Amino acid sequence: EAGVAQSPRYKIIEKRQSVAFWCNPISGHATLYWYQQILGQGPKLLIQFQNNGVVDDSQLPKDRFSAERLKGVDSTLKIQPAKLEDSAVYLCASSLVGGSNNEQFFGPGTRLTVL
Amino acid sequence: GDSVTQMEGPVTLSEEAFLTINCTYTATGYPSLFWYVQYPGEGLQLLLKATKADDKGSNKGFEATYRKETTSFHLEKGSVQVSDSAVYFCALIPGAGSYQLTFGKGTKLSVIP
Repeated sequence: EAGVAQSPRYKIIEKRQSVAFWCNPISGHATLYWYQQILGQGPKLLIQFQNNGVVDDSQLPKDRFSAERLKGVDSTLKIQPAKLEDSAVYLCASSLVGGSNNEQFFGPGTRLTVL
Repeated sequence: GDSVTQMEGPVTLSEEAFLTINCTYTATGYPSLFWYVQYPGEGLQLLLKATKADDKGSNKGFEATYRKETTSFHLEKGSVQVSDSAVYFCALIPGAGSYQLTFGKGTKLSVIP
């Protein structure tokens, strides 16, 4: 079974530029998550989708971050414009459905460096 | 709010040593508790979990017991191997309608031959 795919794996941009990350979840997984992991910290949830609807985006900085999952499968996360403090690894995860008994499977992440 | 505190790293052990990584949590309800592991160059993987008090999660020789009275979920392994070198994250899901995973900061373990 293929795992969660993410691209690109690495991205370097200058501040005020825009960047987009892509995630393809495990086939059949209805729930998709985006996390931000700053160096030396644990991942922090940015947004959770159930199919193509947003379940939780309370920690998403909506002035610069946006995410979509138009057809309930792939998802993109965008940052516009980027700031230095956005340097982090962006992790995508998926699960069959939401809930504490449904394991979240993580992708390898995209490492973003903002100069 | 809900939070997880785990021991600071890095932790360096010799092969076959006993491992304990401490984890305590703060939650208003009855959370489910998890340990995730991140091997070098790989994504996060679920190592074990426990969903109610006194449950013991176990996998690959690792164990953790959900202790409600001490709000703890310490990770233990009797004899570590070099292949256990990784970063370990304790995490919780609050439950009661909230299914957001909240992670600790992670503990880096290095096992030397």
